[in-house]
Amino acid sequence: AQKITQTQPGMFVQEKEAVTLDCTYDTSDQSYGLFWYKQPSSGEMIFLIYQGSYDEQNATEGRYSLNFQKARKSANLVISASQLGDSAMYFCAMTRDTGNQFYFGTGTSLTVIP
Amino acid sequence: DSGVTQTPKHLITATGQRVTLRCSPRSGDLSVYWYQQSLDQGLQFLIQYYNGEERAKGNILERFSAQQFPDLHSELNLSSLELGDSALYFCASSVAIGLNTEAFFGQGTRLTVV
Repeated sequence: AQKITQTQPGMFVQEKEAVTLDCTYDTSDQSYGLFWYKQPSSGEMIFLIYQGSYDEQNATEGRYSLNFQKARKSANLVISASQLGDSAMYFCAMTRDTGNQFYFGTGTSLTVIP
Repeated sequence: DSGVTQTPKHLITATGQRVTLRCSPRSGDLSVYWYQQSLDQGLQFLIQYYNGEERAKGNILERFSAQQFPDLHSELNLSSLELGDSALYFCASSVAIGLNTEAFFGQGTRLTVV
């Protein structure tokens, strides 16, 4: 069974600092995709970044980067130069090669302090 | 704006009633997913359709049903509503299905059963 674990229910970071949100996953599949989504207080889910299991380089999208360690089955999200607007819930998710659903973690609430 | 439209945004109804949630996917997206987000259960996958056909089913109750129409919009029908059905219901769409295909989420329908 696929499982995503986010062990940090809440995190605080100073504005302009970097922060790492942890995500570990459990799968026996060889091919899978890893995603991060952001959910602000308004409720919508916003796609941030994707990493494929066969990608050798860590994914980056602007201030977001994904620290992918395949052997450890971890896919941590790094947000650089935090902004007040980064305060939100962050969800790690995984797809299998069937692509039939996204398996989500329980989320991490990030608060950026001015 | 993700391009996925969900209506209504808010819905308040009584126990035992039936409601229909509507989702219009992004233009060109063939796949539609439905998710339920509640405080105690997190993001639960309900069902997925691809080009009108059901492709995967998750923890969807028998009181719930869904379909995807020829114009690719989708509806989620919830009947015999219970207090525990109160949640945020998300629709997401993707252009295809596969491990590297990100899903774009609508803003959700917040259902309150009283």
